[in-house]
Amino acid sequence: AQKVTQAQTEISVVEKEDVTLDCVYETRDTTYYLFWYKQPPSGELVFLIRRNSFDEQNEISGRYSWNFQKSTSSFNFTITASQVVDSAVYFCALSEPYSSASKIIFGSGTRLSIRP
Amino acid sequence: DGGITQSPKYLFRKEGQNVTLSCEQNLNHDAMYWYRQDPGQGLRLIYYSQIVNDFQKGDIAEGYSVSREKKESFPLTVTSAQKNPTAFYLCASSQRTATSTDTQYFGPGTRLTVL
Repeated sequence: AQKVTQAQTEISVVEKEDVTLDCVYETRDTTYYLFWYKQPPSGELVFLIRRNSFDEQNEISGRYSWNFQKSTSSFNFTITASQVVDSAVYFCALSEPYSSASKIIFGSGTRLSIRP
Repeated sequence: DGGITQSPKYLFRKEGQNVTLSCEQNLNHDAMYWYRQDPGQGLRLIYYSQIVNDFQKGDIAEGYSVSREKKESFPLTVTSAQKNPTAFYLCASSQRTATSTDTQYFGPGTRLTVL
């Protein structure tokens, strides 16, 4: 069965520190997609990235980077030089495209607090 | 601007009442979804619809109902049968393709409180 585990419930760091959010997933399929979403205090989920299981190349977007490792079933998210605006709850999610209606399974989220 | 709108932002309900949450999208997406989020928890799927006039139950459909009469609209009714309806409700949509999972984009949410 599909499962996404975000073991870090809350993280608090001082501004400008680097921080990594962990995500471990379980799936029986060889084809799947992984996502990260950000939920600021306003509540709306903001899409950050989608990665398919055949693309293990790490991705960097500004201060954000993602490390996908199939060998350890992990898809970790790093914020470099964190800023107060990065404070939010971050969700990792998994989807198997040939399951019914492309359902997405979300992890329980990591609450990130950046202190000035 | 293309996007997903949800209304109202805050909703208060008395016990025993049915209430309907609105979700509209102008992204021309085929699929729409309703999720429930409880404090400190992830999202749980209530209902989803891949096409007009068709919808399927998600993981926690009991006490909820939906309709999909138009492509752009997917309202959710929280019925009096839902024992613990106080939660944050998020609507999402995605473009359906036959061979891949498309990204789900979310609306701003409706916070429902039962008095």
